[in-house]
Amino acid sequence: KAGVTQTPRYLIKTRGQQVTLSCSPISGHRSVSWYQQTPGQGLQFLFEYFSETQRNKGNFPGRFSGRQFSNSRSEMNVSTLELGDSALYLCASSLDLARTSGNEQFFGPGTRLTVL
Amino acid sequence: AQSVTQLGSHVSVSEGALVLLRCNYSSSVPPYLFWYVQYPNQGLQLLLKYTSAATLVKGINGFEAEFKKSETSFHLTKPSAHMSDAAEYFCAVSKSTGRRALTFGSGTRLQVQP
Repeated sequence: KAGVTQTPRYLIKTRGQQVTLSCSPISGHRSVSWYQQTPGQGLQFLFEYFSETQRNKGNFPGRFSGRQFSNSRSEMNVSTLELGDSALYLCASSLDLARTSGNEQFFGPGTRLTVL
Repeated sequence: AQSVTQLGSHVSVSEGALVLLRCNYSSSVPPYLFWYVQYPNQGLQLLLKYTSAATLVKGINGFEAEFKKSETSFHLTKPSAHMSDAAEYFCAVSKSTGRRALTFGSGTRLQVQP
């Protein structure tokens, strides 16, 4: 089975722009979660989608949003970019958080976003 | 609320020596616990997980961890370090019921000296 894929792998934007990142989960996985990784704050949970609905949200401003499509692919969007948004954005997929013991999440390689 | 504390942001061991990476957690409900490894420019790979079955959990690449409820710990060990073990290791906790987002520790960078 192919793993979690994320596109693009690298992205450079300037302050004030917006950006959309894409994530394709492992085939059959219905839950997609997004995490932000920075040297200062570490790994932080952004949000989780299941069956096209946001089920859980971390403590991030409304500039961060996401969605999930019927094929479970997910996108996250960051509007009005700030320098502090520079980070590695990781997507993780799992079968079904509600029924799968252990909530095993499989991570993609990430998208490295640089905001200038 | 949940939290994870990883003691030691950097750990250095010699090749062939014991690896011990420390993790303590706090959780208001019975937790699930995980160790992930991250190699440079890559995502996270699951090493092992504790989900309320056996308290001694064996994972990939010779790693294992023991869940100790009384000490709220989930330390990661490997009897003999290899050069290829050099990476960053993250301990994570999630709830065992309800919403299960992962809460990560700050990570421990393992350096293996020849």
